[in-house]
Amino acid sequence: EAGVAQSPRYKIIEKRQSVAFWCNPISGHATLYWYQQILGQGPKLLIQFQNNGVVDDSQLPKDRFSAERLKGVDSTLKIQPAKLEDSAVYLCASSVGLGLAYYEQYFGPGTRLTVT
Amino acid sequence: AQSVTQPDIHITVSEGASLELRCNYSYGATPYLFWYVQSPGQGLQLLLKYFSGDTLVQGIKGFEAEFKRSQSSFNLRKPSVHWSDAAEYFCAVGAKRTSIQGGSEKLVFGKGTKLTVNP
Repeated sequence: EAGVAQSPRYKIIEKRQSVAFWCNPISGHATLYWYQQILGQGPKLLIQFQNNGVVDDSQLPKDRFSAERLKGVDSTLKIQPAKLEDSAVYLCASSVGLGLAYYEQYFGPGTRLTVT
Repeated sequence: AQSVTQPDIHITVSEGASLELRCNYSYGATPYLFWYVQSPGQGLQLLLKYFSGDTLVQGIKGFEAEFKRSQSSFNLRKPSVHWSDAAEYFCAVGAKRTSIQGGSEKLVFGKGTKLTVNP
């Protein structure tokens, strides 16, 4: 079974530029998550989708971050404009459904973003 | 708010030695608790989880963890560490959302403990 795919794996941009990350979840997984992992920290949930609807985006900085999952399959996360503090690894995860008690989250390898 | 504390940023052990990684949580009710491992350049992999029942939980790769409600702890253990266990380990709690926030739960992670294994 193929895992969660993410691209690119690495990205270096200058501040105020824009960047987009792509995630393809495991086939059949209805729930998709984007996490931000700053160096020395644990992952922090940015946004969670159930099919193509948003479940939770309470920690997404909406003035600069946006995410979509138009067809309920793959997803893109965009930052515009980027700030130095956005340097982090962006992890995508997916699960069959909602509910931590029932459905394991499977993580992709992440995209490492460096903002200079 | 729910939170997780991993007191040890970095631990070094010798190969073959026993291992215990500490995790303390803050949560009002019976928590869902998890341990994940992250190898360099890899995503997180679930080692084990606790929801209810037996407080000693067995996981993959020979790991186990014990839930102690009185101490608000969920420490990860392994009797004999292998060089391939060198990685970063994250403890997480499943934090319930309100119905306004969409219900279900979300993972709240600790800051992680980096494990180095000496030959």
